[in-house]
Amino acid sequence: QKEVEQDPGPLSVPEGAIVSLNCTYSNSAFQYFMWYRQYSRKGPELLMYTYSSGNKEDGRFTAQVDKSSKYISLFIRDSQPSDSATYLCAIIIQGAQKLVFGQGTRLTINP
Amino acid sequence: DTGVSQNPRHKITKRGQNVTFRCDPISEHNRLYWYRQTLGQGPEFLTYFQNEAQLEKSRLLSDRFSAERPKGSFSTLEIQRTEQGDSAMYLCASSLMAVYGYTFGSGTRLTVV
Repeated sequence: QKEVEQDPGPLSVPEGAIVSLNCTYSNSAFQYFMWYRQYSRKGPELLMYTYSSGNKEDGRFTAQVDKSSKYISLFIRDSQPSDSATYLCAIIIQGAQKLVFGQGTRLTINP
Repeated sequence: DTGVSQNPRHKITKRGQNVTFRCDPISEHNRLYWYRQTLGQGPEFLTYFQNEAQLEKSRLLSDRFSAERPKGSFSTLEIQRTEQGDSAMYLCASSLMAVYGYTFGSGTRLTVV
């Protein structure tokens, strides 16, 4: 079993829709949670990081963490064609240096 | 500072040849990481430096792979006797504190023919 599971998609939605991206993890020692966006042939770009259970909002993006269920989500409101990319969740244990990534979900926003 | 810089962007090499990639991290960042990403997969950890010391290596980093970070500045990743299975995107990242995330470069895409 992988430490971090993420549905690879692909996911295709119309412009303006709310997008929900999800990951589950197996190790309860994971404490810090991140979402990265990766455009084709580019490196991953950090979107958000969070520590505690609950919601964290940044513009059209909301990261949600449920530590009791070992489940993290990223919501994108008012999705735009420019949001089309692969979204990667990443998790780390406090004191460690190694980020553990999910497989990534490929998202397409159709105009 | 223009972020993390990786060179070359793309490398095509014949099987059995040696290749070397370079990474220039953000100057204020003392931590540097190498990851490998294959098509349709998330990045996989290879190794990590704090300043010039290599503190952690993955089992993925076989004896054909070697990484250095002389003087705690830029880093190089060398692959000896390349194999077709080495074809991947090699990503470099740097950070001040990993728990707040890394800054990645654009990667070096290696194709072994």
